[in-house]
Amino acid sequence: AQKITQTQPGMFVQEKEAVTLDCTYDTSDPSYGLFWYKQPSSGEMIFLIYQGSYDQQNATEGRYSLNFQKARKSANLVISASQLGDSAMYFCAMREVNTNAGKSTFGDGTTLTVKP
Amino acid sequence: DTEVTQTPKHLVMGMTNKKSLKCEQHMGHRAMYWYKQKAKKPPELMFVYSYEKLSINESVPSRFSPECPNSSLLNLHLHALQPEDSALYLCASSQDLVMGVSGNTIYFGEGSWLTVV
Repeated sequence: AQKITQTQPGMFVQEKEAVTLDCTYDTSDPSYGLFWYKQPSSGEMIFLIYQGSYDQQNATEGRYSLNFQKARKSANLVISASQLGDSAMYFCAMREVNTNAGKSTFGDGTTLTVKP
Repeated sequence: DTEVTQTPKHLVMGMTNKKSLKCEQHMGHRAMYWYKQKAKKPPELMFVYSYEKLSINESVPSRFSPECPNSSLLNLHLHALQPEDSALYLCASSQDLVMGVSGNTIYFGEGSWLTVV
């Protein structure tokens, strides 16, 4: 069964520093996609970054990068140069290619607080 | 700005009321989703439509009734709700139902905050 584990319920980071949010996953499907979403207190779920299981390079999107270690089944999100507006809840999610069409598995989330 | 728009942003309703949540997307996506999210929890899938047909119903109580009038619109009709149904309701869409090896991102709207009194 597919599973996402986010072991950090809460994280603090100083403004302008980098922070890593952990995500490990489990699936029996050899093809899958991993996603990170940001959810501020306003409620909107904002898509940040995507990594496919066959992608050779780690995904990057501006200040966001995904540290993908397939053998370890981890897909950690790295946020560089943190800003106050990065304070939010962050969810790691997975979708399988060959099974569970239409369904995503989400982790429990990590609440990130950026300190000035 | 999100390309999935939801209305209303906030809704307060009594247990005997009938109301609807609305969702619209103009990205040409063929799959649309309703999720329910309680505070500090991940979103839970409720319904999925693919090409305007209901594909997934995650055993949702019949007091929630989805409707997909066309490929851009998705409604969630609410009737005789309970206080425990108070939550954030998120609409989402994706290009297709199937993940695909090249990725198929699900994009969410801003959500509708529902309070049942």
